[in-house]
Amino acid sequence: DTAVSQTPKYLVTQMGNDKSIKCEQNLGHDTMYWYKQDSKKFLKIMFSYNNKELIINETVPNRFSPKSPDKAHLNLHINSLELGDSAVYFCASRNRGQETQYFGPGTRLLVL
Amino acid sequence: AQTVTQSQPEMSVQEAETVTLSCTYDTSESDYYLFWYKQPPSRQMILVIRQEAYKQQNATENRFSVNFQKAAKSFSLKISDSQLGDAAMYFCAYRCPPGYGGSQGNLIFGKGTKLSVKP
Repeated sequence: DTAVSQTPKYLVTQMGNDKSIKCEQNLGHDTMYWYKQDSKKFLKIMFSYNNKELIINETVPNRFSPKSPDKAHLNLHINSLELGDSAVYFCASRNRGQETQYFGPGTRLLVL
Repeated sequence: AQTVTQSQPEMSVQEAETVTLSCTYDTSESDYYLFWYKQPPSRQMILVIRQEAYKQQNATENRFSVNFQKAAKSFSLKISDSQLGDAAMYFCAYRCPPGYGGSQGNLIFGKGTKLSVKP
């Protein structure tokens, strides 16, 4: 029944590893987002994506890449993880013409 | 560029009392949306209330209401009859109009206000 789900909820890994976070929404929305919440609780957009266009926040390192196998999924791949990547990552979705974004539960990533 | 400012890092309120959280924003657009999200310790982002800029009437959702001052670019949240469950981080957010600067309507957040509720 969960509208926007993320897996895993927690991810602990070593520097230099490559990891993925999955996001799925069952709301039929056409636009999905990834946000990063840092240690000071500040939330910032990383990517927004619909089935036609990917918009990347220019401050996001190219080690981060979103991949959308279909309309209901937007996964986040991170290569060569760094200590500064430790954060909570939120997926969200919205339908065109509607104003509210629905957030997933977040994935807490800890890079050691 | 649009910015959202929450000038109160922390606030405290007595149970059953009323508290107001401040938010100001900067934009050159005339049509946009503003939101308040609540983030309890569970980390889940929960929509509290939203306001459409072209509507002059302040939005209300049960105990939550906003004071939207478009000219002053101010969007404060009032919580009435505060309850222990209201304790959380509260984020004010501005929604870019789709197509503005290539935006797909992503949210720009303030830095949040941590609200404590005292029994």
